[in-house]
Amino acid sequence: QFVLTQPPAVSATPGQTVNISCSGSKSNIGSNTVSWYQQLPGAAPKLLIYRDDQRPSGVPALFSGSKYGTSASLAISGLQSEGEADYYCVAWDDTLDAWVFGGGTKLTVL
Amino acid sequence: EERLEESGGLLVQPGGSLRLSCVASGFAFSDQHMDWVRQAPGRGLEWVGRIRSKGYRYTTYYAASVKGRFTISRDDSKDSLFLQMKSLKTEDTARYFCVRESRDAIWFGDVFYYQYYMDVWGKGTTVTVSS
Repeated sequence: QFVLTQPPAVSATPGQTVNISCSGSKSNIGSNTVSWYQQLPGAAPKLLIYRDDQRPSGVPALFSGSKYGTSASLAISGLQSEGEADYYCVAWDDTLDAWVFGGGTKLTVL
Repeated sequence: EERLEESGGLLVQPGGSLRLSCVASGFAFSDQHMDWVRQAPGRGLEWVGRIRSKGYRYTTYYAASVKGRFTISRDDSKDSLFLQMKSLKTEDTARYFCVRESRDAIWFGDVFYYQYYMDVWGKGTTVTVSS
């Protein structure tokens, strides 16, 4: 089981916006910032969002992050088939002294 | 270009040992905290452990699942990170990623603290534990 909770799968049609939730607790999301990663099949994870809502250079603006309390969310707008991937949230946990991951969400573009 | 390249993944028997290496290039390795993250076949990402930089006394942290069996070390003179694994179990079978951490300073009035995030990932090396 994973410390951060994500939906196992989400789906949407091309052009739609999809939101992926990540639920934690006071010791992780409630105390530290959240990062989001995209993993395409067979590839290494790629950083999409850091510090809750910041995009690294080169990441398209269609990806956005937000956080409220002990939950975070990744929004992907203008969906295209290239967006089909697994998405993970991560935060540092002050009680466990460990990075904690969500179980990952598989995004399917219908 | 900032890069991490892992090596050392092999087929090993249960109870055996293995050492993974990761060589960094394109950035000041000695300044960065580093991590190992693994992914079992068909499963999600699992953090393995962390080693902080010299300025933080090379402090290490480990996931409960590997504590006492795995040891993370680094050689800043060779821009290299290592993962020594012993008493390997079948459940340690996974692709192991070497990961760099970066940090942001977050201010509260005139006080700040650092928030870290994992930003650069290697392509991974595969460890298979099987008899």
